[in-house]
Amino acid sequence: RKEVEQDPGPFNVPEGATVAFNCTYSNSASQSFFWYRQDCRKEPKLLMSVYSSGNEDGRFTAQLNRASQYISLLIRDSKLSDSATYLCVVNPRAGGTSYGKLTFGQGTILTVHP
Amino acid sequence: DVKVTQSSRYLVKRTGEKVFLECVQDMDHENMFWYRQDPGLGLRLIYFSYDVKMKEKGDIPEGYSVSREKKERFSLILESASTNQTSMYLCASSLRGHGVETQYFGPGTRLLVL
Repeated sequence: RKEVEQDPGPFNVPEGATVAFNCTYSNSASQSFFWYRQDCRKEPKLLMSVYSSGNEDGRFTAQLNRASQYISLLIRDSKLSDSATYLCVVNPRAGGTSYGKLTFGQGTILTVHP
Repeated sequence: DVKVTQSSRYLVKRTGEKVFLECVQDMDHENMFWYRQDPGLGLRLIYFSYDVKMKEKGDIPEGYSVSREKKERFSLILESASTNQTSMYLCASSLRGHGVETQYFGPGTRLLVL
């Protein structure tokens, strides 16, 4: 079983739609969680961290369910510029001892069309 | 502005050649990482370094070695390139301590081994 699993998609949605991505992780001791975004032929960049209580950044909402070992990302009012691959990322250990070693999911491809 | 640079965007090598991939960061980060990214497999960690001259194996170190003689520079070496090492190679860096989990990536090197 992969440490971090995502539905690879692709998700094709019209502008203005709401879309949700899910991710599961296998290590129950994992400490922290993130979503990274990777545009076509570009490098990954941090989109947002995921906190236990859930958190929002504009049109983006991230949720964590530790009991189910499940992370989600919700995008509201999709824009053409949201088209990208979204990577679910897990740090299996506390930041001070892990040297920031991260485990990446394979990514979910999103295409937003006019 | 944060910057991670990689020596080449595209590289074509022959089987058996020794290949050097260079990565330089200008953010005074302690941690540096080498990943490869393949379709359907996502980013996989090859090696990382948490200090000058220190290195740790990642998940797929076989066939690779690394060198970190200066803080800003982290080199990936393919001792004898093989066709299964054809891939996108991404370098990243991060701070130690607070912010350790935010990795900044270079633009990537697309390596083709013939």
